[in-house]
Amino acid sequence: QKEVEQNSGPLSVPEGAIASLNCTYSDRGSQSFFWYRQYSGKSPELIMSIYSNGDKEDGRFTAQLNKASQYVSLLIRDSQPSDSATYLCAPQNQGGKLIFGQGTELSVKP
Amino acid sequence: DGGITQSPKYLFRKEGQNVTLSCEQNLNHDAMYWYRQDPGQGLRLIYYSQIVNDFQKGDIAEGYSVSREKKESFPLTVTSAQKNPTAFYLCASKQASSYNSPLHFGNGTRLTVT
Repeated sequence: QKEVEQNSGPLSVPEGAIASLNCTYSDRGSQSFFWYRQYSGKSPELIMSIYSNGDKEDGRFTAQLNKASQYVSLLIRDSQPSDSATYLCAPQNQGGKLIFGQGTELSVKP
Repeated sequence: DGGITQSPKYLFRKEGQNVTLSCEQNLNHDAMYWYRQDPGQGLRLIYYSQIVNDFQKGDIAEGYSVSREKKESFPLTVTSAQKNPTAFYLCASKQASSYNSPLHFGNGTRLTVT
């Protein structure tokens, strides 16, 4: 079992729709969870972070965390073509080790 | 401006040569990380360091070496033992004292070995 698994892409949604990105992790010691966006050829940039069970909203983005199920998700509302990128999930454990999922490529069609 | 500087942006080497990738940060972060990314893949952890003069292997440390003699610097050496070194290398840093602190990334070094 991989340490971090994300839903395989590419994920294609029409402009204005909701994009749903999922991530499961194996390390129950994971304390904090990060979502990064990466455009082709660029370095990742932080989109959202979440530490407690439940939902966290920031503009068009909502992160959801369920530690019991070892599951974290990212919802993007009113998707825009500029949201087209690869989204990376990264849980962190107490030892500071930060492992990334393989990423989900999102394509938003105008 | 505070940030992470990776140099050079592009690096070309012949097979069998060791090469060192530079990573410098002025964010006063304790922890530093090296990741490797292959086309269409996620980031794989090579080495990380939580404090000066200490570092831990990540998932793919074979064929790589690091040093952490200064807080600001975490150079990565790709040795001739690394079987497939051509990749995009990303350096990152964060505050080690807070597990809520996110990673900050440099702009990466694209290494090509022929």
